[in-house]
Amino acid sequence: ETGVTQSPTHLIKTRGQQVTLRCSSQSGHNTVSWYQQALGQGPQFIFQYYREEENGRGNFPPRFSGLQFPNYSSELNVNALELDDSALYLCASSLWQGETQYFGPGTRLLVL
Amino acid sequence: QKEVEQNSGPLSVPEGAIASLNCTYSDRVSQSFFWYRQYSGKSPELIMSIYSNGDKEDGRFTAQLNKASQYVSLLIRDSQPSDSATYLCAVKSALEYGNKLVFGAGTILRVKS
Repeated sequence: ETGVTQSPTHLIKTRGQQVTLRCSSQSGHNTVSWYQQALGQGPQFIFQYYREEENGRGNFPPRFSGLQFPNYSSELNVNALELDDSALYLCASSLWQGETQYFGPGTRLLVL
Repeated sequence: QKEVEQNSGPLSVPEGAIASLNCTYSDRVSQSFFWYRQYSGKSPELIMSIYSNGDKEDGRFTAQLNKASQYVSLLIRDSQPSDSATYLCAVKSALEYGNKLVFGAGTILRVKS
């Protein structure tokens, strides 16, 4: 167990809907990164948050957005869901500029 | 060219054998490398990190890094059926602050009893 928690564990949405995924970082970790893992692929970096600011973004459209709260927990929001958004969404926490990212259990999103 | 490449497998080895997993990366300035294990339906779990050329051993696992060849590998000695999983190679890539991980697609390992 890494101490990183995510909710919900599973989610089913329909195309065009919006979804919010949540992550609580490991105690003492101030940086949260979000990744999308499609079936059979490695995780792809979405964005990272440090001190409530976005600190880098991968190749994802603006309908993917996030927040980080003062307690370092984080949310990932996806608007106008598309079928290709079906994936495992992973949250990883780390110390700022730390080498190691620790992953939560993930949220599996299915878009119908 | 993909930034991080791995053979997708599956790599099948008998119980007790050595499993050898390989990874190449394209960014010459990369300094930090990680191996994660992912069981089906679960999230990635960190196994090893390596930063310097050469070998790093941790129990049954040995990570090997060759920066000149842009190559990193993971050896699993005395493979067990419980080692059957997907192994993800990840390379640290700098952001303005902090860093992100760039992953390969993973190699499926099957250990047969």
